[in-house]
Amino acid sequence: EVQILETGGGLVKPGGSLRLSCATSGFNFNDYFMNWVRQAPGKGLEWVAQIRNKNYNYATYYAESLEGRVTISRDDSKSSVYLQVSSLRAEDTAIYYCTRSNWVFDYWGQGVMVTVSS
Amino acid sequence: DTVLTQSPALAVSPGERVTISCRASESVSTGMHWYQQKPGQQPKLLIYGASNLESGVPARFSGSGSGTDFTLTIDPVEADDTATYFCQQSWNDPYTFGAGTKLELK
Repeated sequence: EVQILETGGGLVKPGGSLRLSCATSGFNFNDYFMNWVRQAPGKGLEWVAQIRNKNYNYATYYAESLEGRVTISRDDSKSSVYLQVSSLRAEDTAIYYCTRSNWVFDYWGQGVMVTVSS
Repeated sequence: DTVLTQSPALAVSPGERVTISCRASESVSTGMHWYQQKPGQQPKLLIYGASNLESGVPARFSGSGSGTDFTLTIDPVEADDTATYFCQQSWNDPYTFGAGTKLELK
């Protein structure tokens, strides 16, 4: 059974940083791209970042709205993916979902809440 | 970026047929996918590649379209289908989502 679990969310002050973690199991992690998608309260879904697998040289891609403030990384030995977000703003308040993909987001974690507030 | 436009809300009675539309601002070929999200839950993949039913999803759900116009059909609708439905394209970079269509049952 595919399992995806995000951790690391919480309350952060504006200008602060956060590192989200996503642990996975139940599938061959090395075969897949991994993504972060976020959803502001009561709003729609926004793709944030993608990291491809070794076959694609671990290429990374970012949403333009966050580029320069986010870094996605992965550890294939731990079947885990990470998202580092810096210079946090109120508008970054959202549920952050970790998702598996090749070209479609077929499995999603439960999400982790990030609240940016003073 | 490719903008995906969905109607905001629909209300139907159980047993009826409902179609949810998604229009792309430019061609996405068949790189269109549909997700269902119930309150407090993560999105769930229903349809991929415009018309392919994800494993385990009831055959009441179907998808069609190519290019810029796509449709998700639920026939017949059941009470458990109350949810928000999002379309998403993966043909053009960056991946984008529609704003979602909230389906309510009368």
